[in-house]
Amino acid sequence: AQKITQTQPGMFVQEKEAVTLDCTYDTSDPSYGLFWYKQPSSGEMIFLIYQGSYDQQNATEGRYSLNFQKARKSANLVISASQLGDSAMYFCAMRVNTGGFKTIFGAGTRLFVKA
Amino acid sequence: DTGVSQDPRHKITKRGQNVTFRCDPISEHNRLYWYRQTLGQGPEFLTYFQNEAQLEKSRLLSDRFSAERPKGSFSTLEIQRTEQGDSAMYLCASSNLPEAGNTIYFGEGSWLTVV
Repeated sequence: AQKITQTQPGMFVQEKEAVTLDCTYDTSDPSYGLFWYKQPSSGEMIFLIYQGSYDQQNATEGRYSLNFQKARKSANLVISASQLGDSAMYFCAMRVNTGGFKTIFGAGTRLFVKA
Repeated sequence: DTGVSQDPRHKITKRGQNVTFRCDPISEHNRLYWYRQTLGQGPEFLTYFQNEAQLEKSRLLSDRFSAERPKGSFSTLEIQRTEQGDSAMYLCASSNLPEAGNTIYFGEGSWLTVV
């Protein structure tokens, strides 16, 4: 069975500092994709970054980078130079070839950015 | 706006009433997904369509829930005889070809409150 685990219910970070949000996953499928989404208090789910299981390099998108450690089955999100607008829920997600390509989500981490 | 749109955004209904939500996916996307999200949790998969075919339903989708995508474009999610436990946000998402690398794009969600 596939599973996503986010062990940090909440995180605090000072504005302009970097923060790492943890995510571990479990799947026996060799082909999968890992995603991070941001959900502000308004509710919409915003796609941030994607990492494929066969990608050799860690994905980066602006201030977001994904620290992909395949052997450890971890896909941590690093946000550099935090901004007040980064305060939100962050969800790690996985999509695998088995199970019909549906995307499964972790429980999320709430990030608070302090001024 | 060419994103995923959902209607209504908010619905308050009395227990026992039926409600219907509509989702219009991104036009070129052939996959459409429904998720449910309760407060403090990540989205939970309910069902998905490829074109007009409903390919998978979660066991979370009881007999009171039915989803359709009659022409492979918009979709509806109906909940019959609503219960207080149905109170949640119902998220619709769409994606292109069913490959692990393609992300799903979410609508803004439909909030349901059953009183």
